[in-house]
Amino acid sequence: QLQLRESGPGLVRPWETLSLTCTVSGGPINSVSHYWGWIRQSPGTRLEWIGSIFHSGTTYYNPSLQSRVTISVDTSKNQFFLKLTSVTDADTAVYFCASHLGFGEIWWLDPWGQGTLVTVSS
Amino acid sequence: DIVMTQSPDALAVSLGERATIDCRSSQSVLYSSNNKNYLAWYQQRPGQPPKLLFYWASTRQSGVPDRFSGSGSGTDFTLTISSLQAEDVAIYYCQQYYGTPYTFGQGTRLEI
Repeated sequence: QLQLRESGPGLVRPWETLSLTCTVSGGPINSVSHYWGWIRQSPGTRLEWIGSIFHSGTTYYNPSLQSRVTISVDTSKNQFFLKLTSVTDADTAVYFCASHLGFGEIWWLDPWGQGTLVTVSS
Repeated sequence: DIVMTQSPDALAVSLGERATIDCRSSQSVLYSSNNKNYLAWYQQRPGQPPKLLFYWASTRQSGVPDRFSGSGSGTDFTLTISSLQAEDVAIYYCQQYYGTPYTFGQGTRLEI
């Protein structure tokens, strides 16, 4: 059974880069039937899809964040990564990684990691 | 972007009673080539990540109690809990995966 776990700094200074790692266990990240995604949840706002990646490195980003986001994957470590540059207060959120099931297209998110709170503050 | 709008924002239901949550998409999420609605429902309990309840709008995820049901097609969808239990207190979200950016409803807070 797939399990995902986020890790990374809980505090990032304004205008610096947020970097998170998602470690996948219980199955290979190079599965042909899974994509891997990042979603965030700010207090009082709805869930926001940040972007997703296939093990080949093909990425899909939310246009609202595309200029600042990079998602990458390391199949040898069964991990994928999120980098968000030039962060501001608006990027303070709980960041989740999750798996999408999908065969040639991206479907629902299951399972999700527990989430990690990232606060942007000086 | 496809905008997902849920109603109501919050709902209080007595134990054992029925709860109904609606979700509307700003454009159809029914893919004509396979006749599937690209819509999922999630439950988020306090302090927990979202948990998948339904995909393809009405296919119940393994382990989800059958008091939960999903219905609808095109742009209008409904999540129904037939007999509310205490453990159903949560925020419920719909999400479309028809096209990027994948988008969520604002959430419906279900209380007893």
